[in-house]
Amino acid sequence: EVQLVESGGGLVQPGGSLRLSCAASGFTFSSYWMHWVRQAPGKGLVWVSRINSDGSGTNYADSVKGRFTISRDNAKNTLYLQMNSLRAEDTAVYYCAREFSSGSRYFDYWGQGTLVTVSS
Amino acid sequence: DIQMTQSPSSLSASVGDRVTITCRAGQSISTYLNWYKQKPGKAPKVLIYAASSLQSGVPSRFSGSASGTDFTLTISSLQPEDFATYYCQQSYNAPRTFGQGTKVEIK
Repeated sequence: EVQLVESGGGLVQPGGSLRLSCAASGFTFSSYWMHWVRQAPGKGLVWVSRINSDGSGTNYADSVKGRFTISRDNAKNTLYLQMNSLRAEDTAVYYCAREFSSGSRYFDYWGQGTLVTVSS
Repeated sequence: DIQMTQSPSSLSASVGDRVTITCRAGQSISTYLNWYKQKPGKAPKVLIYAASSLQSGVPSRFSGSASGTDFTLTISSLQPEDFATYYCQQSYNAPRTFGQGTKVEIK
């Protein structure tokens, strides 16, 4: 059974840092691109970042570029999101998602989400 | 970035109604268009991928279609479990942008 389990969320002050983790199981993690998507309270889904299967390629939303870093450890089947210089507007539930890619591309599995609250 | 414009932002409907949600892409995305359903406090789940392909396990009352840069999600007969928020997403390129969502509420 495919599982994605996020951790690392919590309350952090503006300007602070946090590292999110997404532990993957039930599939060959190293074969899939992975993404982070966030959702501010009461708002819609916003794509944050993606990393390719071997970690050599990454992309970021303009709103987080230069502050967030996505990475992965394929030996540990874990995806990470290092978040620095956090702002109040980064407050959201952060989801990791697996991208199925075989002709079409879509997020076929999602984690349960981890809440990040940026507040003083 | 490719902008995805979804409409309406919300709608009220009754059980058994036919419901249509539209998503327009800001440029050509071929059929790299996906639809997700999200219930409060839960992660999204994919319903339709590649504009019109039904994800395994999703009821056949859900369907998707495409015409140029316009995409449609149709629920043929709304069921109680379908009251949720629906999002379109383009997977043509990065960033994988989402529409703003359509909340389907009980009339």
